[in-house]
Amino acid sequence: DAKTTQPNSMESNEEEPVHLPCNHSTISGTDYIHWYRQLPSQGPEYVIHGLTSNVNNRMASLAIAEDRKSSTLILHRATLRDAAVYYCILLNNAGNMLTFGGGTRLMVKP
Amino acid sequence: GAGVSQSPSNKVTEKGKDVELRCDPISGHTALYWYRQRLGQGLEFLIYFQGNSAPDKSGLPSDRFSAERTGESVSTLTIQRTQQEDSAVYLCASSLDGGRVYNEQFFGPGTRLTVL
Repeated sequence: DAKTTQPNSMESNEEEPVHLPCNHSTISGTDYIHWYRQLPSQGPEYVIHGLTSNVNNRMASLAIAEDRKSSTLILHRATLRDAAVYYCILLNNAGNMLTFGGGTRLMVKP
Repeated sequence: GAGVSQSPSNKVTEKGKDVELRCDPISGHTALYWYRQRLGQGLEFLIYFQGNSAPDKSGLPSDRFSAERTGESVSTLTIQRTQQEDSAVYLCASSLDGGRVYNEQFFGPGTRLTVL
């Protein structure tokens, strides 16, 4: 299975942009890159996904490297509510179940 | 609109007892997933339903665990003869179509199971 590697934790100041990296050097051509986040004491929440091109939605942007071996989730202006664990996951049509690793714990300072 | 709901929110049981956990997915979602999350850890996949069928039961940890789904709606996860290692938060998620990898999964708030 293709795996992802993320830093254990990151810190950001409120109102500043945050770039959360993910390495997935063994990604296959049919793998989609998904990001979910989990706020304290809540179930996971979908953030964004992409295949090859960069993606934007109301929550975040996803920048995908040209070789697809890494990607970066971008929060344009971090708020206190964005403090959560962010998970980068690869999914393909062989199985849609989510398997979360350790993720990156984002701490946002006021 | 209503999201995914789960009941009970908390369940404390004694070792050896059976428990039933319920999930009500978002109306119209054909795919339903059960996951387990132990304290401080990531998600562990348990079982996936497409409609009322479970094409993937590979994550069920033992034959003490079973799940069913009826009416392409409500699902019940049953744990028989609970053990202390079953203590975890059990999360249910649903998505519009399990066959589409780009369909996001919507999670319920989870059921926190504590086995004494």
